[in-house]
Amino acid sequence: EPEVTQTPSHQVTQMGQEVILRCVPISNHLYFYWYRQILGQKVEFLVSFYNNEISEKSEIFDDQFSVERPDGSNFTLKIRSTKLEDSAMYFCASSLYRGGSGNTIYFGEGSWLTVV
Amino acid sequence: QQQVKQSPQSLIVQKGGISIINCAYENTAFDYFPWYQQFPGKGPALLIAIRPDVSEKKEGRFTISFNKSAKQFSLHIMDSQPGDSATYFCAASLMDSSYKLIFGSGTRLLVRP
Repeated sequence: EPEVTQTPSHQVTQMGQEVILRCVPISNHLYFYWYRQILGQKVEFLVSFYNNEISEKSEIFDDQFSVERPDGSNFTLKIRSTKLEDSAMYFCASSLYRGGSGNTIYFGEGSWLTVV
Repeated sequence: QQQVKQSPQSLIVQKGGISIINCAYENTAFDYFPWYQQFPGKGPALLIAIRPDVSEKKEGRFTISFNKSAKQFSLHIMDSQPGDSATYFCAASLMDSSYKLIFGSGTRLLVRP
């Protein structure tokens, strides 16, 4: 079964450093997302991306965050200057049709970010 | 209004028993209600989903019951197995106006052998 793959699986970074989390969505999917899950808490939406632009973002997704699809296969999340509270599991996800429309969103296994 | 409230936070069930997890929402514009299953170290995976035009959906041992007037929906796991031990998240979305899923807080299910 096709899957969303994420790298790295775990990253430790110093506060204030830039971090890039990488994702390879399912190959024929058109909609891409980032969610995060702080330890022990619920999964929270960060951003959705379609047709090379952000289609929706949450209040969490402030100017410190950016997303990019640099080529036909990768989808990245950049955190410009990490804070302690950015420590979380970050999930990349993708869907063939628009998520939130009853179409299945497939999640990767996550990138665990620890900011120290 | 955008929240989905989930209970219980944790649940212990004997093998063969019925696991029931409940969710409630406020926003009547929500029109898609999936349940996701998450094993430790893995991402959430879609388990079963329902739209508000039906009151129940069953897939194998998993059933969603939906009560539109009460703005509640629940997941029933029949004949619960140790392999069902995972965290379960309900979610909701606005079909025509949003790309995102709004998740509940999760229920950690442990099925004892």
